[in-house]
Amino acid sequence: NAGVTQTPKFRVLKTGQSMTLLCAQDMNHEYMYWYRQDPGMGLRLIHYSVGEGTTAKGEVPDGYNVSRLKKQNFLLGLESAAPSQTSVYFCASREGTLETDEQYFGPGTRLTVT
Amino acid sequence: QKEVEQDPGPLSVPEGAIVSLNCTYSNSAFQYFMWYRQYSRKGPELLMYTYSSGNKEDGRFTAQVDKSSKYISLFIRDSQPSDSATYLCAMSAGYSSASKIIFGSGTRLSIRP
Repeated sequence: NAGVTQTPKFRVLKTGQSMTLLCAQDMNHEYMYWYRQDPGMGLRLIHYSVGEGTTAKGEVPDGYNVSRLKKQNFLLGLESAAPSQTSVYFCASREGTLETDEQYFGPGTRLTVT
Repeated sequence: QKEVEQDPGPLSVPEGAIVSLNCTYSNSAFQYFMWYRQYSRKGPELLMYTYSSGNKEDGRFTAQVDKSSKYISLFIRDSQPSDSATYLCAMSAGYSSASKIIFGSGTRLSIRP
């Protein structure tokens, strides 16, 4: 049981390049989230999904797109990377029942845009 | 003004000391309050979870919520070097369609041996 995994762990992009971050969870969770973490800003929600085939915008969605074609995977895309997107990106998943609001986080992807 | 305010620290205390970490918030709809611990270069992990006002204890950790003051605290007793991490408070209004969680910016804690 790997929990939440993220690929890649590190990436350096040039301005204008595109990339996709992959998040996978093996806990059969309904809800999945993408956050970015910047110094002094805490975790900010980019996009989230409440089930396979659904996506919704979070607090800071501009410049990002997402897809949830399979329940276990949640992809975050950057179509044209900008230096302001240099950050650590975390994926999280949640069961979606009423018993708990716990989100399980992946190890993060460190992205630098030059 | 941020919905959740948290002193970023860093906070450095000697081993064995009692640590107090705090957050204030402005949204009176928040009912679920969490503390996450994040070790360096790792993802956050849930440490404590409380609903509404009151105290909750788990081993050396006590979470306290005062909804009237919009203030939450995490106390760590007999602090250990292994407690050195960043602690993030988090809260949500409840189990609506996605119950988005709002995080504080985190307090960096260092326990000196």
